[in-house]
Amino acid sequence: DTAVSQTPKYLVTQMGNDKSIKCEQNLGHDTMYWYKQDSKKFLKIMFSYNNKELIINETVPNRFSPKSPDKAHLNLHINSLELGDSAVYFCASSQDWGNQPQHFGDGTRLSIL
Amino acid sequence: GQQVMQIPQYQHVQEGEDFTTYCNSSTTLSNIQWYKQRPGGHPVFLIQLVKSGEVKKQKRLTFQFGEAKKNSSLHITATQTTDVGTYFCAGRETSGSRLTFGEGTQLTVNP
Repeated sequence: DTAVSQTPKYLVTQMGNDKSIKCEQNLGHDTMYWYKQDSKKFLKIMFSYNNKELIINETVPNRFSPKSPDKAHLNLHINSLELGDSAVYFCASSQDWGNQPQHFGDGTRLSIL
Repeated sequence: GQQVMQIPQYQHVQEGEDFTTYCNSSTTLSNIQWYKQRPGGHPVFLIQLVKSGEVKKQKRLTFQFGEAKKNSSLHITATQTTDVGTYFCAGRETSGSRLTFGEGTQLTVNP
């Protein structure tokens, strides 16, 4: 029973395409996150939703748009993909917007050709 | 804004040697968390420290939170090949604020 699941696990696509990554958590958590991890392993927060409301929106290009249809899902849509978007994208969740640990998904490895 | 810095960025050790990674914040932290990410894997929560001067142990791992709550360390005694991975600290400036991750320390252990 995977707690935080992301699909797809691998995504190889051409520059200029539009793609989506889906994330679902079955932990009953209120808060979900998207992180970007580059080749140097730096982990950067992109977005966070608490009870379906956007609470963190870091300085990311507006080609990236998160959507949270309900508390258990947080999807990431990326328009007009660029070479610099190649990275691993992690979804995570925590019980609430507080001091709780974050539970990460397995990641989506995005490669732009 | 808050910055959390970790050193070293890379560490190579022989199996059996000790290892320490250090985490420093530009501001006082309410609490700090530590995560481990195995190669090809995802970050996994290890522990949270809240009190000034707090020390917690998990088998061969010792975690410390500084007296001023601006720094923390993770020490591994007698490393094993299973310790390979990237260790991240992550701090909160105030209780309930966003978690800011350090850059991580990538540990390799030679058998």
